[in-house]
Amino acid sequence: DGGITQSPKYLFRKEGQNVTLSCEQNLNHDAMYWYRQDPGQGLRLIYYSQIVNDFQKGDIAEGYSVSREKKESFPLTVTSAQKNPTAFYLCASSTAGTGFGSPLHFGNGTRLTVT
Amino acid sequence: AQKITQTQPGMFVQEKEAVTLDCTYDTSDQSYGLFWYKQPSSGEMIFLIYQGSYDEQNATEGRYSLNFQKARKSANLVISASQLGDSAMYFCAMRERGAGSYQLTFGKGTKLSVIP
Repeated sequence: DGGITQSPKYLFRKEGQNVTLSCEQNLNHDAMYWYRQDPGQGLRLIYYSQIVNDFQKGDIAEGYSVSREKKESFPLTVTSAQKNPTAFYLCASSTAGTGFGSPLHFGNGTRLTVT
Repeated sequence: AQKITQTQPGMFVQEKEAVTLDCTYDTSDQSYGLFWYKQPSSGEMIFLIYQGSYDEQNATEGRYSLNFQKARKSANLVISASQLGDSAMYFCAMRERGAGSYQLTFGKGTKLSVIP
């Protein structure tokens, strides 16, 4: 079955360390996204990519970096510059150019805890 | 100003009853889309229903319907015949033409609890 795989489900890191969250999709979608979710805050967009080798900052990109070397993969690095990295991170993908109604498909998320 | 406002942090509904979750939005675009997602405690985001700004009929998907009032900029989700499995967080989201991408902007969510 097609879908989005995020790994790992839980991740623990010490403050000051960079950490990379994995996101892989086999839906053949062009667009991919990273959202951050905090309690009571809903989902906020970190980065998105509409095509390989291109990506754009979202609303809260500071302290994060991404790459899009393959269509299937969109890893997110949480750097030590991110002030409050502890959160639930959701990766999503969608078709592009096929109309407004195409929904985002989400992975199951990675819960990052930094102490 | 928030683009998506969900004013109900938490809601309770009796099993088998209907419930309405509120969503208002703010956009200057004429062309936009509205989505509702469900997030169970396990964390995955499940797409429920979509309404386009030019759709004349309210969207329906099984027990879910969207009460779309364009002039009021509201897109409320109606769940009929609530089930225990409907207990979850519900998010309203919007896609705008002017955004230049296919991203969605989300509200802060409503936590629905279904009471047996």
